[in-house]
Amino acid sequence: KAGVTQTPRYLIKTRGQQVTLSCSPISGHRSVSWYQQTPGQGLQFLFEYFSETQRNKGNFPGRFSGRQFSNSRSEMNVSTLELGDSALYLCASSWGTGINTEAFFGQGTRLTVV
Amino acid sequence: SQKIEQNSEALNIQEGKTATLTCNYTNYSPAYLQWYRQDPGRGPVFLLLIRENEKEKRKERLKVTFDTTLKQSLFHITASQPADSATYLCALVHDKVIFGPGTSLSVIP
Repeated sequence: KAGVTQTPRYLIKTRGQQVTLSCSPISGHRSVSWYQQTPGQGLQFLFEYFSETQRNKGNFPGRFSGRQFSNSRSEMNVSTLELGDSALYLCASSWGTGINTEAFFGQGTRLTVV
Repeated sequence: SQKIEQNSEALNIQEGKTATLTCNYTNYSPAYLQWYRQDPGRGPVFLLLIRENEKEKRKERLKVTFDTTLKQSLFHITASQPADSATYLCALVHDKVIFGPGTSLSVIP
């Protein structure tokens, strides 16, 4: 059974640009959550999608957005990149809504904004 | 505001000893609490989940306790091995998941 796949693994962008990250969940999983991880702030919740609907959202500005497709694959987009957006972006999938079920994380996308 | 704290310092223990990691929280009433392990450059890996009405959960060499009165969870690794060296994260779950800052554990041979 393939794990959670995130692409790309590494990305370098310039301030002001926008970026799209992709996450393919484990087959059969319908919930996808996104997190930002930085050394200073730790792992912070961005949003959760279940069956193409955003169920929860963290405290991030509107520049951070996401969506989920009918095959449960998810994308997150960050517009007008800032230096502080440099981080490891992690995606996690789970069978249920992600609240009381085990979450499986991908290896993450390392985004560097210069 | 909601706050989660884990062992403030990195934890170094001798192989074979029991490692005990703490997770304290304030201004939150989680329905569940999870523990994850994270190795450098990799995403977290789920270890254990404990519900608010459970006091203790075990899985092989791992044991988790959950005290909702003290607002604290303890995570124990018995007979620790160098391969247990990693960062351990607690996560509180209610309507969404909030992760603690993590504790770095080093098991010295």
